[in-house]
Amino acid sequence: QVQLVQSGAEVQKPGASVKVSCKASGYTFIDYYVHWVRQAPGQGLEWMGWINPNTGGTNYAQKFQGRVTMTRDTSISTAYMELSRLRSDDTAVYSCARDPGSYGTYYFDYWGQGTLVSVS
Amino acid sequence: DILMTQSPSSLAASVGDRVTITCRASQGISNFLAWYQQKPGKVPKLLIYAASTLQSGVPSRFSGSGSGTDFTLTISSLQPEDVATYYCQKYNSAPLTFGGGTKVEIK
Repeated sequence: QVQLVQSGAEVQKPGASVKVSCKASGYTFIDYYVHWVRQAPGQGLEWMGWINPNTGGTNYAQKFQGRVTMTRDTSISTAYMELSRLRSDDTAVYSCARDPGSYGTYYFDYWGQGTLVSVS
Repeated sequence: DILMTQSPSSLAASVGDRVTITCRASQGISNFLAWYQQKPGKVPKLLIYAASTLQSGVPSRFSGSGSGTDFTLTISSLQPEDVATYYCQKYNSAPLTFGGGTKVEIK
């Protein structure tokens, strides 16, 4: 069965960086885009961008351009999201999510369990 | 960017009631719309894509309709396990954006 397992909760200071991992299993990792979505406490969902695990190509939401970097390691079927220059309003649950289309359809059929990043 | 507006922001209904949630796009998005259910403390779960296609394993009491700018999610007979916040998401092109959510509770 498809699973996305994320790294554990993080506490970071303002100005620091955080890197969250998302390990995929149950499917061929390079065949499906991986998106990152965040949710601040009590707030709605915010799309951050996607990575094509096959090519490494990325597309970031304009809001995060210059601060976010999405990468992948195909040898271990893992995607990463690194956010730099953290601010207190970056406190949120960060989730990876699989795109069901082989060339990117841009919705999400499987989600990781979420990683709480606290900036304080 | 295309703005997605959901209404109502919250509702309370009785078990067995028919519940309808509306999502409006600020520009036409054809049928590139998905609906998600998020239970407290959990990540979202895909319910519907392409505006009206039920994701595998989702109960048939959930249905979606609409095209262009106006969309609806309907729960034909509300069940206690349907207590959650529901989000629409447009995906015709990046940036991908979500509605603000509709919290559904049992009266």
